[in-house]
Amino acid sequence: QQQVKQSPQSLIVQKGGISIINCAYENTAFDYFPWYQQFPGKGPALLIAIRPDVSEKKEGRFTISFNKSAKQFSLHIMDSQPGDSATYFCAATSGGGANNLFFGTGTRLTVIP
Amino acid sequence: GAVVSQHPSWVICKSGTSVKIECRSLDFQATTMFWYRQFPKQSLMLMATSNEGSKATYEQGVEKDKFLINHASLTLSTLTVTSAHPEDSSFYICSAPGRDFGAMEQFFGPGTRLTVL
Repeated sequence: QQQVKQSPQSLIVQKGGISIINCAYENTAFDYFPWYQQFPGKGPALLIAIRPDVSEKKEGRFTISFNKSAKQFSLHIMDSQPGDSATYFCAATSGGGANNLFFGTGTRLTVIP
Repeated sequence: GAVVSQHPSWVICKSGTSVKIECRSLDFQATTMFWYRQFPKQSLMLMATSNEGSKATYEQGVEKDKFLINHASLTLSTLTVTSAHPEDSSFYICSAPGRDFGAMEQFFGPGTRLTVL
């Protein structure tokens, strides 16, 4: 059973546009929600993470929106650039980040110039 | 943030041989490390949890006798794929929990591409 559901599977955005990726979870014990960026042949790199005590976290062009009651969270990439083209994974876990992660299925983002 | 390394970055072996993959936390200690497997264009799937000083915990469907895990120290975990077969060809990635600006985060290694001929 997929613990974290992610959509869309792929996304094409014009340079300068906003990329939005959505995730949903069921386990209310989850208390750590990171997003990872992965380039082909590379390991996932932590992009930004949020904990359920806040509804939004922003770091540069990347923002996580978190809706605890709906058990949903999303990644917004503002002013998308061709260099942002990669696969993005949302994840969730309990234990504040110390336990293994449950990953979404991934979103392949392509930013066209 | 904290750094996790893996060695080798890629390996090609013949069917029936064994391959060892190392995962190291470079600037922090990790009593627990996690091993994931990722097939092309798919997500990461947890294989096992490596525990320093005790046996690894394997996920359902993962053969513990085929994927041997040893957490030799607080900075090193190894995954040995024994009697490798072509279906074991995959991208193997480890992670370790570490603190970044005081907050606990999961840091991933760069991955090891295993190709079994």
